[in-house]
Amino acid sequence: DTGVSQDPRHKITKRGQNVTFRCDPISEHNRLYWYRQTLGQGPEFLTYFQNEAQLEKSRLLSDRFSAERPKGSFSTLEIQRTEQGDSAMYLCASSLPTSLSEQYFGPGTRLTVT
Amino acid sequence: AQKITQTQPGMFVQEKEAVTLDCTYDTSDQSYGLFWYKQPSSGEMIFLIYQGSYDEQNATEGRYSLNFQKARKSANLVISASQLGDSAMYFCAMRPISNFGNEKLTFGTGTRLTIIP
Repeated sequence: DTGVSQDPRHKITKRGQNVTFRCDPISEHNRLYWYRQTLGQGPEFLTYFQNEAQLEKSRLLSDRFSAERPKGSFSTLEIQRTEQGDSAMYLCASSLPTSLSEQYFGPGTRLTVT
Repeated sequence: AQKITQTQPGMFVQEKEAVTLDCTYDTSDQSYGLFWYKQPSSGEMIFLIYQGSYDEQNATEGRYSLNFQKARKSANLVISASQLGDSAMYFCAMRPISNFGNEKLTFGTGTRLTIIP
């Protein structure tokens, strides 16, 4: 068990470019969450998967954002036409499908849009 | 809807002293869980301790304990014998307890703890 991993750890992009982040959850975890954390704030929920099904999306997730988990294992988060306001830390977490399991977080991807 | 309030933006504590980080919450859920996470400068959220709303005893994990007062809707984190490595951001969070739904976490704004040698 190597924990939740995220790639890349840092991404600098110019405004208007598309970016894609990857999250690999702990292998037996079927629940996967994406959160966004801006400077000085706590993480905010973006979206949630149970296996390959995306079951909820926050209103924070505009049309420029899309997330997938095609085989119920790793997940990708894509941001199209990035804006400076997208600069943040994007955190992925996974958990077991029980009501008492905690969420394990990855190291995050820090996005800077210039 | 759930809300977490952390009123201490920053705290400075002498090494080896105990420290209490405040957290109050609001929710309409009958069953919920309360969590504390530590976030060092590296960015990773590290799970520290969990308290279920139905737990009658306060949770403890090593040097960490959670002072849960349900009637006051508070879930303060107590760190005993603080160490230099405890310097970090600390986040209080909560989520509903459900076998069928999205158990997304709602976080507070955090408290930056600095341990002074």
